[in-house]
Amino acid sequence: DAGVTQSPTHLIKTRGQQVTLRCSPKSGHDTVSWYQQALGQGPQFIFQYYEEEERQRGNFPDRFSGHQYPNYSSELNVNALLLGDSALYLCASSLKGFWGQGNEQFFGPGTRLTVL
Amino acid sequence: GQSLEQPSEVTAVEGAIVQINCTYQTSGFYGLSWYQQHDGGAPTFLSYNGLDGLEETGRFSSFLSRSDSYGYLLLQELQMKDSASYFCAVRGADSGNTPLVFGKGTRLSVIA
Repeated sequence: DAGVTQSPTHLIKTRGQQVTLRCSPKSGHDTVSWYQQALGQGPQFIFQYYEEEERQRGNFPDRFSGHQYPNYSSELNVNALLLGDSALYLCASSLKGFWGQGNEQFFGPGTRLTVL
Repeated sequence: GQSLEQPSEVTAVEGAIVQINCTYQTSGFYGLSWYQQHDGGAPTFLSYNGLDGLEETGRFSSFLSRSDSYGYLLLQELQMKDSASYFCAVRGADSGNTPLVFGKGTRLSVIA
């Protein structure tokens, strides 16, 4: 049973460029959340996708956008990159409506984005 | 909004017990979770407290007091592999599907 996978592992971009990060959720999961984790900080919620729609959004500008496909995989797009966008981007999957163990989220290994 | 406070660093000796505290402020509350993250790795779920009291999972236990807006993670029989960052996280609204809000993390160093 594959866990959450993300690609690419590492990425280097320059200011002003655009980037697309990809995520495949854990088998059986239908909800994907994206987080940004700066060095030495906790993950910060960007947005969540369910049924191919953005359901909830954190305090991030609209330069950050996403998409979810019918197979539940998801993309995170960031436009007009800034130096401050350098971070680890984590994808987490869960099963909507599962009230069990606090709706545990399963995280992928992340994509390390460096903006020069 | 929500905010969480936890110590930035803790050092403990192999075989000992360590407690990592977490206090939170939220407009609503739907449980306190704990995640472990090794350097370069993904956060992994450790435990969840939806009600007051202690939850035990092997060497790890987690406690919650909703009246005090306080919880802690207790790690027993520390092993070198427990060296990692530990994050408390809350859901601030009354739904289990709202996003997690994480603390800044506590870096645990286990020494021989």
